[in-house]
Order: sequence, then C-alpha cells, then structure tokens
Amino acid sequence: DIQMTQSPSSLSASVGDRVTITCRTSQSITRYFNWYQQKPGEAPKVLIYGASSLQSGVPSRFSGSGSGTVYTLTISSLQPEDSATYYCQQSHSLPITFGQGTRLEIK
Amino acid sequence: EVQLVESGGDLVQPGGSLRLSCAASGFTFSSYWMSWVRQAPGKGLEWVANIKQDGSEKYYVDSVKGRFTISRDNAKSSLYLQMNSLRAEDTAVYYCARIDFGASGPGDWYFALWGRGTLVTVSS
Repeated sequence: DIQMTQSPSSLSASVGDRVTITCRTSQSITRYFNWYQQKPGEAPKVLIYGASSLQSGVPSRFSGSGSGTVYTLTISSLQPEDSATYYCQQSHSLPITFGQGTRLEIK
Repeated sequence: EVQLVESGGDLVQPGGSLRLSCAASGFTFSSYWMSWVRQAPGKGLEWVANIKQDGSEKYYVDSVKGRFTISRDNAKSSLYLQMNSLRAEDTAVYYCARIDFGASGPGDWYFALWGRGTLVTVSS
C-alpha cells in the first residue's frame, strides 16, 4: 500500500497569508494525486486533480504542484471561508489512500 | 440538479448486515465508475470500494473484502453497498462518490461528486 504522510496536521494562519500543505508518498505516484477540502458537517470537495489541475469552480488562489513523492497544496491569499480540513489522495494504485488531513484555522 | 443521495444508514449490532443505497440524478450514471468512501467519527477518509460502469470490475480495501459487496443498477441510476458481518470499526459516515477522469493517463482520476453521506453505527 502507498503510505501518505501529510504535514502539518494542523495550522493557524491569518487572512491574506500564503499557506502551504505538503504530502509525501511512500513511492512515486506519477502525479496521480488529488487534494480535497472538507468543512464540518459537509462532504469533501475536490480542489486539485492530477497534482496541479484546478477543478472547475474552485477559486484560483488554490494551486497544486509536485512530482514523484512530494506534493504541495498552496493557498496564495487565505480567505475566511478556507477554514476547513484538507486531505491529499493518491489514485496511482489500489488501495486508494488518503493523507490523515490538515486542519486549517483562521486566526 | 447533479447530485448523489445516500440512504440506509442505521444502528446495527456487531455481526449484523445493512444495505446502503445511493441515488444519482442529473448525469448519465451508467457512464461513470462509482465508489464508496467512509469516514469514522472524528477521523479521516478511507476508500472502501470502486465499481466499473457495467459492474464487471469491483475493487475493495482489504479490511472489507469478503464482507462488503458493491453493486449498481444502471436502469435505476443507483449504487449499493451490501455490508455483512459488521464490526464496531465499520462505524462511519459512508459517502457515495462519482469518479471523473483527467487527461493524463489511466491513474488520473478523482472523486468529483460526493453525496452528503449516511451514518452507519455498529454497536450492541
């Protein structure tokens, strides 16, 4: 199984800050990598697929990058509505695995 | 409206069975791979199972193999999860999800559409 190590597990940042979340995989996954946002009481929502493709309707302040075993999600200018938990996920091979999540709080 | 609506979650005793359903609307259900993903209370996301458009391919996480069965009825635009021999660790919100593909190869796919989930509680 491909192990996903997401960091940090939580962070607190201010409106307007640039925020980066990192996910490391236990083996190369050829950019078959996705990011999701989940707000309390809601279903997850895809933000980024294929490591760097922005899902339709997602604000452009969200971006993804990476290759091999290290991938990052960046929020260029944090907004109050970005308070949520973020998950990474690999689609390279079964079983599909998710990172443990990063809880993002707005100061 | 494009949506997925799960149902069937309940309180069940260990060793019991439950069948979850997911009704799809607003898109051509028979054209998509579908999936179940679960989330234990206060925990992260765990993929459970995938099924191909025509039901000919099914894949499961090891922890549910032999106990859970994913199926679909394209005529009814519905996805199902039959859960047998339930354990306390199966307690979770179960989400139905539609799989969309990107353009960068066979592994370039993601959970594009999610339902609101249905809660399964396994407890005596």
